[in-house]
Amino acid sequence: EDKVVQSPLSLVVHEGDTVTLNCSYEVTNFRSLLWYKQEKKAPTFLFMLTSSGIEKKSGRLSSILDKKELSSILNITATQTGDSAIYLCAVWGSWGKLQFGAGTQVVVTP
Amino acid sequence: KAGVTQTPRYLIKTRGQQVTLSCSPISGHRSVSWYQQTPGQGLQFLFEYFSETQRNKGNFPGRFSGRQFSNSRSEMNVSTLELGDSALYLCASSSTTGANEKLFFGSGTQLSVL
Repeated sequence: EDKVVQSPLSLVVHEGDTVTLNCSYEVTNFRSLLWYKQEKKAPTFLFMLTSSGIEKKSGRLSSILDKKELSSILNITATQTGDSAIYLCAVWGSWGKLQFGAGTQVVVTP
Repeated sequence: KAGVTQTPRYLIKTRGQQVTLSCSPISGHRSVSWYQQTPGQGLQFLFEYFSETQRNKGNFPGRFSGRQFSNSRSEMNVSTLELGDSALYLCASSSTTGANEKLFFGSGTQLSVL
């Protein structure tokens, strides 16, 4: 069965800190890995990483895919209170299902 | 372009009742997926519909069912509600089906079963 594991489950940081979130996966026939941010209810798309695009960057957020280690990290630099959210990692496998991890709850304090 | 719309936003039901949730995808999107989210469990896949056909199904009991209409709108039904069905139900749409698609989520329906 496909598995996606995120760590840590939660963390609290101060504004300005750098945060690193981890996602490891075991899926049959990996296709791509996605990161979402969930602030209230609706998860919003951040990045998609595939074999042909293993690093993505947008402003203070960046993500890298390590296909050898079957993992990905999401970095947030110079954190702001608006970065407080649940960050979800999800993986497309060959069964046509997008498998999600449990998420990492990030709290940024002023 | 309007986003994914889910109705109702909140529902309170009692055990044994049934419930129907609705999802209108982004205009032009033909795939609709449903997920259940409970604290600490992440998003659990329920099913996906594409062009009115169920393409994939997760590991949920038969009490959970869905359908898709010709205009791509989808409904999800849960019969004989149990306390454990209390959750946020999220709907997501994409332009087509298959891997490497970005899913766009609605704000969900928060279901409480008493």
